[in-house]
This record gives sequence, structure tokens and C-alpha cells, in this order.
Amino acid sequence: AQTVTQSQPEMSVQEAETVTLSCTYDTSESNYYLFWYKQPPSRQMILVIRQEAYKQQNATENRFSVNFQKAAKSFSLKISDSQLGDTAMYFCAFMKHHTPLVFGKGTRLSVIA
Amino acid sequence: DGGITQSPKYLFRKEGQNVTLSCEQNLNHDAMYWYRQDPGQGLRLIYYSQIVNDFQKGDIAEGYSVSREKKESFPLTVTSAQKNPTAFYLCASSIEERPSTDTQYFGPGTRLTVL
Repeated sequence: AQTVTQSQPEMSVQEAETVTLSCTYDTSESNYYLFWYKQPPSRQMILVIRQEAYKQQNATENRFSVNFQKAAKSFSLKISDSQLGDTAMYFCAFMKHHTPLVFGKGTRLSVIA
Repeated sequence: DGGITQSPKYLFRKEGQNVTLSCEQNLNHDAMYWYRQDPGQGLRLIYYSQIVNDFQKGDIAEGYSVSREKKESFPLTVTSAQKNPTAFYLCASSIEERPSTDTQYFGPGTRLTVL
């Protein structure tokens, strides 16, 4: 069974600074997908970024980028120019095609003015 | 407006009572999912369905039941057999027709409290 580990329960960052959230996973599969979801205080789960394991290029979405290290089974999220609206729980998730997501326990990020 | 809707937003259940949480999507997605979220636990899978009239148990299916009679709808019933149902429940859906589009999108959630 796949597992996802987020080792940082809580983090904080100053506004406009950069922060990196860690995620490691365990799988014997070679083809899979990795995701970062954001859950603000409204509790709506919002997709931040998606990475396909067969792609070597790291995914980016505006201020959000990932560092995908397939051999190390590591998938960290970097948030640049942090904004107050980035304050949220962030969940790392793993998925094979046609299967449900497996989530980590989340990292609570606070952006401080 | 395309999207995933869940109702009600807040639900209160008395001991021994069954309650049903609604999840509807108009995205023409094939697959639908139910997750439970508890503090410090992340999201855990209850049930999922990849096609109408078929569904599979997830990791914590005991005390829950589902149906998938229509592609758009995937209601979750929390039965009296569920001993600790107080939690936040999230419904998701995905298109799954090819790997490049296989991404799950979530509804706004239902907060269930046992009185």
C-alpha cells in the first residue's frame, strides 16, 4: 500500500518570503501522480499543483513550484513571494491512474505580515 | 455553473439515527469519492465509485453506505453502526478518461455533528 508522509505539522513564513513544504511517499509503482492541495479556513480543498511521475520536469503554477525527486520519493512544494492568502493546510497526495487519492496528514502554514 | 455541490453544509445527528449526505456534480465526471477528515488525520477514503451502479469500499467503510444510481449523484448514508461519525465529510469527482486529465476536484464539504 502507498503511504504519504508530511513531516512538518506546522510552519510559518513572513509575507513575501519563500517557504518549502516537504512530502515523501512510498510506492513500488513507476507510473503515478502527485498533488498538492490547499485547504484554507473555509475548508474547501483546492488543487494547487499536479505532477506526473513520468515527467522529469518539475511542475510550476505561478508562485508555486515543486521539487520532484523520483528516486528519493520526495515531492516538496515551494511557495515564493508568500501572501497572507496562502495561510492554509497543505496536503500532499499520491494517486495511481483510476484509483483514489492517498493523503498525507497535512502541514499547517501560517503567513505572517 | 459547473461544479460539485454538497448539502447540507452542517448536519446534526442524534444517537441511533441514520443521516444522508448529498453530493452532486454537473461536470460529467465518471468517478466520485467520499472522504472523511478528522483533526490531525488528513483525509481518509470511505467509498468510491467509478461507474454507475458500482462502488468499492475504502479504508474506513464500516458504518457507511452509498449508492450510485445516476452519474451525477453519489449520496453517503451514515448509519447508526458508525460509532464516531462526528467529522468533516468531503466529496470529490474526477474524469479519469485518460491519465493526463485524471485529477480529483472537491465539493465544499459537510460538517456532521452527533448530539
